[in-house]
Amino acid sequence: DAKTTQPTSMDCAEGRAANLPCNHSTISGNEYVYWYRQIHSQGPQYIIHGLKNNETNEMASLIITEDRKSSTLILPHATLRDTAVYYCIVITSGGGADGLTFGKGTHLIIQP
Amino acid sequence: GAVVSQHPSWVICKSGTSVKIECRSLDFQATTMFWYRQFPKQSLMLMATSNEGSKATYEQGVEKDKFLINHASLTLSTLTVTSAHPEDSSFYICSLQGAGQRYYEQYFGPGTRLTVT
Repeated sequence: DAKTTQPTSMDCAEGRAANLPCNHSTISGNEYVYWYRQIHSQGPQYIIHGLKNNETNEMASLIITEDRKSSTLILPHATLRDTAVYYCIVITSGGGADGLTFGKGTHLIIQP
Repeated sequence: GAVVSQHPSWVICKSGTSVKIECRSLDFQATTMFWYRQFPKQSLMLMATSNEGSKATYEQGVEKDKFLINHASLTLSTLTVTSAHPEDSSFYICSLQGAGQRYYEQYFGPGTRLTVT
């Protein structure tokens, strides 16, 4: 699976959009970009995933560049409860049951 | 999404004792369950993968005789830490996946914090 690079930490003001970047320059054609987050002392939570088109759900939007070498997770109106570690994971498509490889992620801190 | 519970949510035990952690799916049949551990200020590390009715597959560096995994049914998996030592103190998290489902349909439990004194 392709390796990802994320900033170690970011701050964002409450009510503003939080934009979390992820670099995955070695991504291959059959690999999806997944985002999870982990609030302190809890299990990870799935946020969103995509292949090449931008995606949006009730939690966030995912913008993937045309060359697919990077992506941005957007939390449109960040709240204090969005403070968490956000993980960008690139994995091969397919229905296989494999565990996830978590990198160090980005610690997003929402400031009041 | 599926609801996953873990019991206990935290446990303190003495060195040399064994601890069992349960992972239950409350509304979902999980053909595959994963166990992760997370040391303080570090990321989650996959320990093992278990399929219902068969032996677990362990990641490199994880001792299968120390971390016993039993995937007894489609709704229950247990992780037993045998002869626990202080270096086993960690946050243990399970996740489960149903047959034919993709990665985003992997549901995580709330975690169990183990402290070995």
